Amino acid sequence: GAGVSQTPSNKVTEKGKYVELRCDPISGHTALYWYRQSLGQGPEFLIYFQGTGAADDSGLPNDRFFAVRPEGSVSTLKIQRTERGDSAVYLCASSLRDRVVNEQFFGPGTRLTVL
Amino acid sequence: AQKITQTQPGMFVQEKEAVTLDCTYDTSDQSYGLFWYKQPSSGEMIFLIYQGSYDEQNATEGRYSLNFQKARKSANLVISASQLGDSAMYFCAMREGPSFGNEKLTFGTGTRLTIIP
Repeated sequence: GAGVSQTPSNKVTEKGKYVELRCDPISGHTALYWYRQSLGQGPEFLIYFQGTGAADDSGLPNDRFFAVRPEGSVSTLKIQRTERGDSAVYLCASSLRDRVVNEQFFGPGTRLTVL
Repeated sequence: AQKITQTQPGMFVQEKEAVTLDCTYDTSDQSYGLFWYKQPSSGEMIFLIYQGSYDEQNATEGRYSLNFQKARKSANLVISASQLGDSAMYFCAMREGPSFGNEKLTFGTGTRLTIIP
């Protein structure tokens, strides 16, 4: 079946602009996660959704970052007033949450470049 | 303190040899899970293997096995009979707390594995 998809694959924007990154999870997966991966680092947790609600947003760096999942499927990560430090690969993952392992399945990521 | 430490930034291994990628972790929780992911140059994270803190046996999945030493807080990944397609970044990650309700993964900085023909 189809895996996690993310659009766009690449996004170049100017400092101060607003961007939206989209994630389409695996069908039937109730949990959705956003991570950010800077160059040479491992992914860093941003936010986790269970259904439509954000169950844990402790990783969002500041109030310029916001994410929604209005129908419990597709999610959008929104970044206002982008800064050069926001440049990174934004990874989305989903999981079934019905097993002890509860492994997360990742998408290919969106590479965000802020000029 | 780092929650996940991977001390090998890069490794070169001859094809068909076994390789061990090191991972140590730090947590005060009794219940936790340890994961290994592979990230090829395409960028997608691929789940390899999982070890729960209460699992008595070391996890195995095909050519992958996890050498879990709880007292030392280490969870090393062993890849047997390495193949050229194993060349990638490898990340160790931890979920603190039980599976449900503690969802976020904390990742290490990764090890870049290169298999030499």
